[in-house]
Amino acid sequence: GAGVSQSPSNKVTEKGKDVELRCDPISGHTALYWYRQSLGQGLEFLIYFQGNSAPDKSGLPSDRFSAERTGGSVSTLTIQRTQQEDSAVYLCASSFGTSGGEEQFFGPGTRLTVL
Amino acid sequence: GQQLNQSPQSMFIQEGEDVSMNCTSSSIFNTWLWYKQDPGEGPVLLIALYKAGELTSNGRLTAQFGITRKDSFLNISASIPSDVGIYFCAGTGNQFYFGTGTSLTVIP
Repeated sequence: GAGVSQSPSNKVTEKGKDVELRCDPISGHTALYWYRQSLGQGLEFLIYFQGNSAPDKSGLPSDRFSAERTGGSVSTLTIQRTQQEDSAVYLCASSFGTSGGEEQFFGPGTRLTVL
Repeated sequence: GQQLNQSPQSMFIQEGEDVSMNCTSSSIFNTWLWYKQDPGEGPVLLIALYKAGELTSNGRLTAQFGITRKDSFLNISASIPSDVGIYFCAGTGNQFYFGTGTSLTVIP
């Protein structure tokens, strides 16, 4: 069966360019999460969606980061004017809901390198 | 944001040894989860704990949810090379919070 997929798997970009990262959650999962993982570090929560709404955007590091979700399915994380410190693996996860305790299923991540 | 503190940060052990790692928080959580992340992949759920004091086993893995709902431990018995990876605890209340991770290296 299809799990969470992310694209691209790797992205190398120049400082100052915009990038778009895509996440396809498991079909039927209403909740979708974005995390950032720097090399050798834990997971840094960025944002989550319940349906198409994002109740909590507090984890976004700056106003250069934005995310949207359409049709309760695909989500896009956009980073504008990328900086070298944005280099990390960006992980997406989905779950049935957010009432607590639901397992999050993770995608393989997008490795972003900003030169 | 909420921090879950995991210890140790890293472990180097011989194949066949038992492993113990724990996770603590200053806040109470409804659920504790333990995930494992293999290199180049996303985390995968190992064990979920729902009740304070609950002890749950999954093969060679055993995890317990602390009575205070502020801590949890994960034990791995008779480690094997494929146990290598980063282990994360996660606590859930209204949101998901991940621990800082424990990196495990198993030496054959």
